[in-house]
Amino acid sequence: QKEVEQNSGPLSVPEGAIASLNCTYSDRGSQSFFWYRQYSGKSPELIMFIYSNGDKEDGRFTAQLNKASQYVSLLIRDSQPSDSATYLCAVIMTTDSWGKLQFGAGTQVVVTP
Amino acid sequence: DVKVTQSSRYLVKRTGEKVFLECVQDMDHENMFWYRQDPGLGLRLIYFSYDVKMKEKGDIPEGYSVSREKKERFSLILESASTNQTSMYLCASRARYGYTFGSGTRLTVV
Repeated sequence: QKEVEQNSGPLSVPEGAIASLNCTYSDRGSQSFFWYRQYSGKSPELIMFIYSNGDKEDGRFTAQLNKASQYVSLLIRDSQPSDSATYLCAVIMTTDSWGKLQFGAGTQVVVTP
Repeated sequence: DVKVTQSSRYLVKRTGEKVFLECVQDMDHENMFWYRQDPGLGLRLIYFSYDVKMKEKGDIPEGYSVSREKKERFSLILESASTNQTSMYLCASRARYGYTFGSGTRLTVV
């Protein structure tokens, strides 16, 4: 079992719709969760982080965390073609003595006009 | 904002060459990382450093070494480049929230 799992996609989303991305993780004790966006040929950039159960909103992005079910999700409202990218979920595992980020393989999102 | 600078955006090297990839961060961060990213394989950690002259192997250290003589600079060294090291190389620095990545170096070994 991978430590951080994401559907690879592609997730096709009509312009203006909500994109919903999911991420599950294996370490129940994990406390810190991050979402990165990576455009093709570019490096990942941090768009959201969340530490507490529940929702955290930032503009059109909402991160949702459910520690009991060990998943974190990212919602993108009013999706735009500029949101077409790969989204990486990252988790700090308590099982990692260095507290490094463990990355999922990413979900590709394609927003169609 | 933290700035992580990778010295080269694109590099083409010949098989057997010794290759240096440089990374500099401007926020006095202790932890720095080198990843490679290949299609379908995601981000794979090569090496990381938690302080000057301190290093730890990541998941795929074979064929690589690193150097951290100053806190702001973390170098990745390919001792003898091979074609299977053709990849996108990403440096990252650990900020207060997550990592900040450099712009990446696309290395082609011919």
